[in-house]
Amino acid sequence: DTEVTQTPKHLVMGMTNKKSLKCEQHMGHRAMYWYKQKAKKPPELMFVYSYEKLSINESVPSRFSPECPNSSLLNLHLHALQPEDSALYLCASSQEGTGTSLATNEKLFFGSGTQLSVL
Amino acid sequence: DAKTTQPNSMESNEEEPVHLPCNHSTISGTDYIHWYRQLPSQGPEYVIHGLTSNVNNRMASLAIAEDRKSSTLILHRATLRDAAVYYCILRASFGGSQGNLIFGKGTKLSVKP
Repeated sequence: DTEVTQTPKHLVMGMTNKKSLKCEQHMGHRAMYWYKQKAKKPPELMFVYSYEKLSINESVPSRFSPECPNSSLLNLHLHALQPEDSALYLCASSQEGTGTSLATNEKLFFGSGTQLSVL
Repeated sequence: DAKTTQPNSMESNEEEPVHLPCNHSTISGTDYIHWYRQLPSQGPEYVIHGLTSNVNNRMASLAIAEDRKSSTLILHRATLRDAAVYYCILRASFGGSQGNLIFGKGTKLSVKP
């Protein structure tokens, strides 16, 4: 199983809603990532979890709250989002945690993403 | 962070080879060169990576210049399914961004039947 599964595939939410995005992998990978991708732009790194600990937060606003309950699951909790937060949210995983030279020789596996619309 | 420069777009004919260039003149000695592609409505997909030597796999070949300041992704026979945005990415071996996969603008490849 080399899949990263993201749910839901599509999500529409209002600015006062609270919702969560879910990501799951069963490859035994120890690093998991959240990326944000606006239309016709490259993906931008948001968060990195390495061995279930948050290792990188790329100055993401607090209305985005990541959580890694175990090594196979990654959630992104959303609260009080703005319309400009509408984007494709991508999850990825890799074998090794980041912050090591081993990570540079590895590939990331991406999910198909959750297309989020904030009204 | 070392940066990459790629053409915004390229066109190819089906069943012909495609050479996608990438310049990375500020690459450090231990940065790995990675290529990913993103098909429409999908997440990015790993293609190939290398450090100094040329690399081949079932998807593509990676030719790395001797001075490592540029590289070329080679698709030997383009198919319609290869139409995608191709990203050339440097992964740092040390420093604050160690190991992070940071995407540049990429090259949008169109394949004509």
